[in-house]
Amino acid sequence: DQQVKQNSPSLSVQEGRISILNCDYTNSMFDYFLWYKKYPAEGPTFLISISSIKDKNEDGRFTVFLNKSAKHLSLHIVPSQPGDSAVYFCASGGTSYGKLTFGQGTILTVHP
Amino acid sequence: DTGVSQNPRHKITKRGQNVTFRCDPISEHNRLYWYRQTLGQGPEFLTYFQNEAQLEKSRLLSDRFSAERPKGSFSTLEIQRTEQGDSAMYLCASSARGLPTGELFFGEGSRLTVL
Repeated sequence: DQQVKQNSPSLSVQEGRISILNCDYTNSMFDYFLWYKKYPAEGPTFLISISSIKDKNEDGRFTVFLNKSAKHLSLHIVPSQPGDSAVYFCASGGTSYGKLTFGQGTILTVHP
Repeated sequence: DTGVSQNPRHKITKRGQNVTFRCDPISEHNRLYWYRQTLGQGPEFLTYFQNEAQLEKSRLLSDRFSAERPKGSFSTLEIQRTEQGDSAMYLCASSARGLPTGELFFGEGSRLTVL
C-alpha cells in the first residue's frame, strides 16, 4: 500500500526555469509534509516542510504547496540551478517524532 | 565532521551470515531512527529510539533484525541469517525534540549486499 506517491520518476528543466515536483498521499492522518533532497553517495537532506494547517511555505527559491482536499503536495523551485540536480523525495508523517513515509523519489536534472 | 556517522559504508556477505551496522548520531540528538532503502524506492521506516528506549518497530523488522541503543548514544542494527532480500541501503537518522517534526539528519548509509 503506497501511501505516498511520486508519479514522475524524472523531470528535466532548463536552468533559470521553474521546476515543479508533485506528490500525492492517501493517509488522512498525516499532518506534516516534507521534501528531502538526495545527492549520489549521500544521505537525504531536509529541504522544506509544511504542516497541515498551512497551504504554502516558502524558503528562498523553494516553495511547498499543500492541497489537503486533493491530498496533493508540490515543490516549486524558482529559478532552477544545475546544483539542484538530485533525487527529491516527498515524505509525510503523523506522529510526534520522525516516523516518515516517503515517496519513491523524482530525479530532477537541471540543464545549463 | 559532527554529522551522523555510519559504519561500515559497504558490506558484502554470504547468505546466512550475520552482519552488524553501527550509527553514531549527532551528539545532542536524543532521537534515533533506522530506515531501509531499496533500489528505486524511498526510505522505509524500520525503528525509532528515544534515548535508549526503542519506542517503535515496523513490521518490516522481522525477528532476524535487532536494534539497540545502549546508554542512548550510538546504535547498532544486527541482521542474523541474512537473506538476499536483505540487500539494501540501511540509513540512520537522528533528531532532537524542538526541531521541526520530521526534520531528520541522515547519515550516508550502510550498503548491504547479500550474495
